[in-house]
Amino acid sequence: GNSVTQMEGPVTLSEEAFLTINCTYTATGYPSLFWYVQYPGEGLQLLLKATKADDKGSNKGFEATYRKETTSFHLEKGSVQVSDSAVYFCALSVRGGGADGLTFGKGTHLIIQP
Amino acid sequence: ETGVTQTPRHLVMGMTNKKSLKCEQHLGHNAMYWYKQSAKKPLELMFVYSLEERVENNSVPSRFSPECPNSSHLFLHLHTLQPEDSALYLCASSQALGRGREQYFGPGTRLTVT
Repeated sequence: GNSVTQMEGPVTLSEEAFLTINCTYTATGYPSLFWYVQYPGEGLQLLLKATKADDKGSNKGFEATYRKETTSFHLEKGSVQVSDSAVYFCALSVRGGGADGLTFGKGTHLIIQP
Repeated sequence: ETGVTQTPRHLVMGMTNKKSLKCEQHLGHNAMYWYKQSAKKPLELMFVYSLEERVENNSVPSRFSPECPNSSHLFLHLHTLQPEDSALYLCASSQALGRGREQYFGPGTRLTVT
Protein backbone atom coordinates (compact mmCIF):
# COMPACT_ATOMS: atom_id res chain seq x y z
CA GLY A 1 0.00 0.00 0.00
CA ASN A 2 0.84 3.68 0.12
CA SER A 3 2.24 5.38 3.19
CA VAL A 4 4.06 8.55 4.25
CA THR A 5 6.37 8.85 7.24
CA GLN A 6 7.43 12.17 8.73
CA MET A 7 8.75 13.39 12.07
CA GLU A 8 5.85 14.41 14.30
CA GLY A 9 7.47 16.97 16.53
CA PRO A 10 6.86 19.39 17.91
CA VAL A 11 9.90 20.87 16.26
CA THR A 12 10.96 24.07 18.00
CA LEU A 13 13.38 26.48 16.34
CA SER A 14 14.50 30.03 16.81
CA GLU A 15 13.69 32.66 14.23
CA GLU A 16 16.12 32.68 11.26
CA ALA A 17 17.18 29.08 11.90
CA PHE A 18 17.48 26.52 9.09
CA LEU A 19 14.56 24.12 8.82
CA THR A 20 14.45 20.53 7.62
CA ILE A 21 11.40 18.31 7.99
CA ASN A 22 12.04 14.79 6.78
CA CYS A 23 9.49 12.88 4.71
CA THR A 24 9.81 9.41 3.24
CA TYR A 25 7.21 7.41 1.39
CA THR A 26 6.23 4.05 0.02
CA ALA A 27 3.95 3.84 -3.00
CA THR A 28 2.53 1.18 -5.26
CA GLY A 29 2.97 3.30 -8.36
CA TYR A 30 4.69 6.52 -9.43
CA PRO A 31 3.47 9.11 -6.95
CA SER A 32 3.15 12.86 -7.05
CA LEU A 33 4.41 14.42 -3.83
CA PHE A 34 3.05 17.38 -1.90
CA TRP A 35 3.64 19.49 1.18
CA TYR A 36 0.59 21.05 2.79
CA VAL A 37 0.52 23.50 5.69
CA GLN A 38 -2.23 23.95 8.28
CA TYR A 39 -2.38 27.11 10.36
CA PRO A 40 -4.40 27.07 13.60
CA GLY A 41 -8.13 26.95 12.99
CA GLU A 42 -7.77 26.63 9.23
CA GLY A 43 -7.86 23.95 6.58
CA LEU A 44 -4.84 22.67 4.70
CA GLN A 45 -3.12 24.85 2.12
CA LEU A 46 -0.90 23.51 -0.62
CA LEU A 47 2.65 24.69 -0.02
CA LEU A 48 4.48 23.00 -2.90
CA LYS A 49 4.47 19.91 -5.06
CA ALA A 50 6.60 17.77 -7.38
CA THR A 51 5.33 15.28 -9.92
CA LYS A 52 8.45 13.44 -11.10
CA ALA A 53 11.89 12.43 -9.93
CA ASP A 54 14.41 15.24 -9.38
CA ASP A 55 11.71 17.92 -9.61
CA LYS A 56 12.08 20.66 -7.03
CA GLY A 57 8.98 22.32 -5.66
CA SER A 58 9.33 25.74 -4.09
CA ASN A 59 7.12 28.41 -2.56
CA LYS A 60 7.47 31.15 0.07
CA GLY A 61 11.12 30.24 0.66
CA PHE A 62 10.35 26.56 1.21
CA GLU A 63 11.83 23.89 -1.07
CA ALA A 64 11.60 20.13 -1.47
CA THR A 65 13.21 17.84 -4.04
CA TYR A 66 11.63 14.58 -5.25
CA ARG A 67 14.27 11.89 -4.61
CA LYS A 68 13.14 8.64 -6.15
CA GLU A 69 16.29 6.74 -5.19
CA THR A 70 15.77 7.45 -1.49
CA THR A 71 11.94 7.73 -1.69
CA SER A 72 12.13 11.06 0.08
CA PHE A 73 10.71 14.58 -0.18
CA HIS A 74 12.29 16.57 2.63
CA LEU A 75 11.06 20.12 3.28
CA GLU A 76 13.67 22.84 3.80
CA LYS A 77 13.76 26.56 4.47
CA GLY A 78 16.87 28.62 4.96
CA SER A 79 15.56 31.12 7.49
CA VAL A 80 12.28 30.52 9.31
CA GLN A 81 9.97 33.19 10.69
CA VAL A 82 7.52 33.17 13.57
CA SER A 83 4.72 33.23 10.98
CA ASP A 84 5.88 29.81 9.73
CA SER A 85 4.59 28.20 12.93
CA ALA A 86 2.03 25.65 11.77
CA VAL A 87 1.55 21.95 11.14
CA TYR A 88 3.18 20.63 7.95
CA PHE A 89 1.90 17.56 6.14
CA CYS A 90 3.72 15.51 3.54
CA ALA A 91 1.41 13.69 1.15
CA LEU A 92 1.38 11.62 -2.00
CA SER A 93 -1.11 10.68 -4.66
CA VAL A 94 -1.00 7.70 -6.98
CA ARG A 95 -3.62 7.19 -9.65
CA GLY A 96 -5.30 3.89 -9.14
CA GLY A 97 -8.74 2.37 -9.07
CA GLY A 98 -10.15 5.53 -10.52
CA ALA A 99 -9.53 7.49 -7.34
CA ASP A 100 -6.98 10.07 -6.41
CA GLY A 101 -7.25 10.84 -2.76
CA LEU A 102 -4.12 11.95 -0.97
CA THR A 103 -2.22 9.76 1.47
CA PHE A 104 -0.89 11.93 4.28
CA GLY A 105 1.78 11.66 6.93
CA LYS A 106 0.79 12.40 10.51
CA GLY A 107 1.98 16.00 10.31
CA THR A 108 4.87 17.87 11.91
CA HIS A 109 4.07 20.63 14.36
CA LEU A 110 6.58 23.45 13.88
CA ILE A 111 7.03 26.15 16.51
CA ILE A 112 9.22 29.16 15.76
CA GLN A 113 10.26 31.26 18.71
CA PRO A 114 11.24 34.93 18.36
CA GLU B 1 -17.32 33.43 -1.24
CA THR B 2 -14.12 32.06 -2.66
CA GLY B 3 -12.36 28.72 -2.49
CA VAL B 4 -13.93 25.92 -0.51
CA THR B 5 -16.39 26.68 2.26
CA GLN B 6 -17.77 24.36 4.92
CA THR B 7 -20.70 24.72 7.28
CA PRO B 8 -21.12 24.49 10.15
CA ARG B 9 -17.64 25.17 11.49
CA HIS B 10 -18.49 23.48 14.80
CA LEU B 11 -21.07 20.83 15.60
CA VAL B 12 -21.95 19.03 18.80
CA MET B 13 -24.35 16.14 18.48
CA GLY B 14 -25.62 13.25 20.53
CA MET B 15 -25.26 9.67 19.40
CA THR B 16 -28.91 9.44 18.36
CA ASN B 17 -29.00 12.67 16.34
CA LYS B 18 -29.01 13.11 12.59
CA LYS B 19 -27.06 16.01 11.16
CA SER B 20 -25.42 17.00 7.88
CA LEU B 21 -22.17 18.70 6.98
CA LYS B 22 -22.11 20.90 3.90
CA CYS B 23 -19.26 21.73 1.57
CA GLU B 24 -19.32 24.14 -1.36
CA GLN B 25 -16.53 24.85 -3.80
CA HIS B 26 -16.40 28.03 -5.87
CA LEU B 27 -13.48 26.97 -8.07
CA GLY B 28 -15.24 25.23 -10.95
CA HIS B 29 -13.71 21.89 -9.99
CA ASN B 30 -15.07 18.48 -10.95
CA ALA B 31 -13.78 16.31 -8.10
CA MET B 32 -14.58 16.57 -4.39
CA TYR B 33 -13.38 14.70 -1.31
CA TRP B 34 -14.16 14.11 2.35
CA TYR B 35 -11.32 13.56 4.82
CA LYS B 36 -11.33 12.85 8.56
CA GLN B 37 -8.63 14.40 10.75
CA SER B 38 -8.31 12.84 14.20
CA ALA B 39 -5.77 13.71 16.86
CA LYS B 40 -2.51 11.76 16.54
CA LYS B 41 -3.59 10.06 13.30
CA PRO B 42 -2.94 10.87 9.65
CA LEU B 43 -5.73 12.42 7.65
CA GLU B 44 -7.97 9.66 6.40
CA LEU B 45 -9.62 9.79 3.00
CA MET B 46 -13.29 8.89 3.33
CA PHE B 47 -14.98 9.50 -0.01
CA VAL B 48 -14.11 10.70 -3.50
CA TYR B 49 -16.57 12.10 -6.01
CA SER B 50 -15.88 12.88 -9.66
CA LEU B 51 -18.51 14.59 -11.77
CA GLU B 52 -21.07 13.84 -9.04
CA GLU B 53 -20.37 10.10 -9.05
CA ARG B 54 -18.76 8.38 -6.08
CA VAL B 55 -15.52 6.77 -7.18
CA GLU B 56 -14.10 5.72 -3.83
CA ASN B 57 -15.39 4.70 -0.45
CA ASN B 58 -12.57 3.85 1.94
CA SER B 59 -14.38 1.30 4.11
CA VAL B 60 -16.28 4.04 5.88
CA PRO B 61 -19.07 2.91 8.25
CA SER B 62 -22.59 3.30 6.92
CA ARG B 63 -23.41 5.84 9.62
CA PHE B 64 -21.61 8.28 7.29
CA SER B 65 -23.55 8.87 4.09
CA PRO B 66 -22.20 11.23 1.40
CA GLU B 67 -24.24 13.05 -1.19
CA CYS B 68 -23.05 15.06 -4.19
CA PRO B 69 -26.04 16.71 -5.90
CA ASN B 70 -23.87 18.71 -8.30
CA SER B 71 -20.19 19.39 -8.90
CA SER B 72 -20.18 22.39 -6.54
CA HIS B 73 -21.78 20.83 -3.47
CA LEU B 74 -20.92 17.89 -1.25
CA PHE B 75 -22.74 16.76 1.87
CA LEU B 76 -21.90 14.31 4.61
CA HIS B 77 -25.00 13.00 6.38
CA LEU B 78 -24.39 11.74 9.91
CA HIS B 79 -26.55 9.26 11.78
CA THR B 80 -26.09 7.44 15.11
CA LEU B 81 -22.45 8.37 15.45
CA GLN B 82 -20.05 7.11 18.09
CA PRO B 83 -17.79 9.20 20.36
CA GLU B 84 -14.76 8.01 18.38
CA ASP B 85 -16.22 9.80 15.34
CA SER B 86 -15.36 13.12 16.99
CA ALA B 87 -12.84 14.76 14.67
CA LEU B 88 -12.23 17.55 12.18
CA TYR B 89 -13.95 16.76 8.88
CA LEU B 90 -12.30 18.37 5.90
CA CYS B 91 -13.71 18.81 2.44
CA ALA B 92 -11.46 19.30 -0.58
CA SER B 93 -11.82 19.76 -4.31
CA SER B 94 -9.58 19.42 -7.35
CA GLN B 95 -9.98 20.33 -10.99
CA ALA B 96 -10.22 16.65 -11.91
CA LEU B 97 -8.92 13.29 -10.84
CA GLY B 98 -5.25 12.76 -11.59
CA ARG B 99 -2.11 11.95 -9.67
CA GLY B 100 -0.63 15.44 -9.90
CA ARG B 101 -3.80 17.38 -9.19
CA GLU B 102 -3.67 19.81 -6.29
CA GLN B 103 -6.48 19.58 -3.80
CA TYR B 104 -7.92 22.71 -2.22
CA PHE B 105 -9.25 22.32 1.30
CA GLY B 106 -11.99 23.99 3.26
CA PRO B 107 -11.53 25.08 6.89
CA GLY B 108 -13.23 21.98 8.23
CA THR B 109 -16.11 21.17 10.57
CA ARG B 110 -15.10 20.34 14.14
CA LEU B 111 -17.49 17.56 15.19
CA THR B 112 -17.97 16.47 18.78
CA VAL B 113 -20.14 13.44 19.49
CA THR B 114 -21.44 13.25 23.06
